[in-house]
Amino acid sequence: GAVVSQHPSRVICKSGTSVKIECRSLDFQATTMFWYRQFPKKSLMLMATSNEGSKATYEQGVEKDKFLINHASLTLSTLTVTSAHPEDSSFYICSAASDTQYFGPGTRLTVL
Amino acid sequence: AQSVTQPDIHITVSEGASLELRCNYSYGATPYLFWYVQSPGQGLQLLLKYFSGDTLVQGIKGFEAEFKRSQSSFNLRKPSVHWSDAAEYFCAVGSNAGGTSYGKLTFGQGTILTVHP
Repeated sequence: GAVVSQHPSRVICKSGTSVKIECRSLDFQATTMFWYRQFPKKSLMLMATSNEGSKATYEQGVEKDKFLINHASLTLSTLTVTSAHPEDSSFYICSAASDTQYFGPGTRLTVL
Repeated sequence: AQSVTQPDIHITVSEGASLELRCNYSYGATPYLFWYVQSPGQGLQLLLKYFSGDTLVQGIKGFEAEFKRSQSSFNLRKPSVHWSDAAEYFCAVGSNAGGTSYGKLTFGQGTILTVHP
């Protein structure tokens, strides 16, 4: 149990376009989901906390207008990277909270 | 603010040897502590967690960790390493936000484990 999926697993886009990443809890409901960013050979950095039915809470230094988070249901949260630029290229990982945090497999974003 | 330090960036061991990965944390209250493992290009898999009670915690894949409050440590151990254990390991500390076990997690820098045959 406690499976979290992410889609897509890998995406390449042109600079200036927007990209949406989905995070789903497959076998449990999660009122809280988290979005992390991981740079190469670096640790995970929490970007925001996503709560179902309310606005996301962003960590200091994370642009809320650039990284749009929507938690439309108890099993789905989406992260949209708007007007993506090469510096947004990274590995994005979500987690869904149940008895603990369960992590998705990650999405590799490459912005050309 | 909570923080986690993993002093060893890279550790190499021979298959069958014992393993200890170090983790030190800073947290104002009783911490929730976790060890996760990440294979290249993959998400994180929970190995074990400590919330309260017995300070020696057993996890999956033969791993265990011991919480030592006096040393602010939560080191991960395995008596005999297998080649499939090669991966990156992250220690994390979490807050018990609202009494839940899934408050914000702060991760250490990670330790890359290489296993020689």
